[in-house]
Amino acid sequence: DSGVTQTPKHLITATGQRVTLRCSPRSGDLSVYWYQQSLDQGLQFLIQYYNGEERAKGNILERFSAQQFPDLHSELNLSSLELGDSALYFCASSAHHSANYGYTFGSGTRLTVV
Amino acid sequence: AQSVTQLDSQVPVFEEAPVELRCNYSSSVSVYLFWYVQYPNQGLQLLLKYLSGSTLVESINGFEAEFNKSQTSFHLRKPSVHISDTAEYFCAVRGTGGGNKLTFGTGTQLKVEL
Repeated sequence: DSGVTQTPKHLITATGQRVTLRCSPRSGDLSVYWYQQSLDQGLQFLIQYYNGEERAKGNILERFSAQQFPDLHSELNLSSLELGDSALYFCASSAHHSANYGYTFGSGTRLTVV
Repeated sequence: AQSVTQLDSQVPVFEEAPVELRCNYSSSVSVYLFWYVQYPNQGLQLLLKYLSGSTLVESINGFEAEFNKSQTSFHLRKPSVHISDTAEYFCAVRGTGGGNKLTFGTGTQLKVEL
């Protein structure tokens, strides 16, 4: 157990729907990062939050949004889902806003859009 | 911006044989370098990292990587692999001068055979 908790582990939904993925960072970590892993794109950075504030943004679609709450857990919202959004979504955390010592990853949420 | 290239998508090797997984990076600034391992249906786990100091870094399970600035490489090696090393290995880079995220390579699938 890495200490980073992601729920749900699996999610199957239809095109056009909206889902919310949840991440609880490791105890004491203030930064949360979201990545999308797909066969054709590899690991793509989506967004980072640090202590409740957006810190960095990557290749995140406008249909996707995220936030970090006062208790430091984070949610990634995916809307108007398309077949191409099917992927593994990982959350990672680190102690600081910089990733000098690397991340700790959760086990991911596998999203299947049908 | 930084980028990472993992030239080999798959590396088959027999048990107890040596292996090298190649990683080259591109950056206009100094970098931190990481290797992560992903076992089937799991998240990524930090294997080892180079931040500064000795260019040869080791993990607890026998892997090592050498930072070579002139060749912009950070290849991962193990002198004798085990079946349990079968996994996907990702190289990642972060610039030291700023930016918070890790940029990952496309991964190398290491398959250890009897």
